[in-house]
Amino acid sequence: EAGVTQSPTHLIKTRGQQATLRCSPISGHTSVYWYQQALGLGLQFLLWYDEGEERNRGNFPPRFSGRQFPNYSSELNVNALELEDSALYLCASSGDRPYEQYFGPGTRLTVT
Amino acid sequence: SQKIEQNSEALNIQEGKTATLTCNYTNYSPAYLQWYRQDPGRGPVFLLLIRENEKEKRKERLKVTFDTTLKQSLFHITASQPADSATYLCALARPMGGGGNKLTFGTGTQLKVEL
Repeated sequence: EAGVTQSPTHLIKTRGQQATLRCSPISGHTSVYWYQQALGLGLQFLLWYDEGEERNRGNFPPRFSGRQFPNYSSELNVNALELEDSALYLCASSGDRPYEQYFGPGTRLTVT
Repeated sequence: SQKIEQNSEALNIQEGKTATLTCNYTNYSPAYLQWYRQDPGRGPVFLLLIRENEKEKRKERLKVTFDTTLKQSLFHITASQPADSATYLCALARPMGGGGNKLTFGTGTQLKVEL
């Protein structure tokens, strides 16, 4: 069974640009979660999508947004990039055991 | 808000010994407490989950305890091996409604198992 996949692996952007990160959940999983892991900090919950809808978001500004497609894959968009957005962005999916989240390898976003 | 403390100092132990990692939390007791393993530059890997009404959970060489009175979980790796070297994350799960669970993570403890 294929795990959660994310693309791209690395992304380098400059301040003010927009970044788009992609995630494909485990087959059969309908929930997708996004987390940010900045250097030296724990994972911070960003967004939760389920059945195509945004269900909850963490304490992040509106320039962090995303969507979930009919095939349950998801996209995270970060607008007006700031230097402090540099981090590892992790996607996780869950299925019929909602308390178990399975993570992808992450996208390393660097903002210069 | 929920605060989770893990020993920020790295833990170095000898191969074959038991590694014990600590996770302390404040405020509410979570519905579930989970442990993940994270290797450098990789996503966390789910290891074990323990519910608030469970005291102990085992999986092969791993054991997790959960004390809601002390607000503490201990994570044990017995007969440790160099391949167990990684950062171990404690995460508290709280239902968000609608079936989702928000995970709040600690910053992790780095374990190094030496020959």
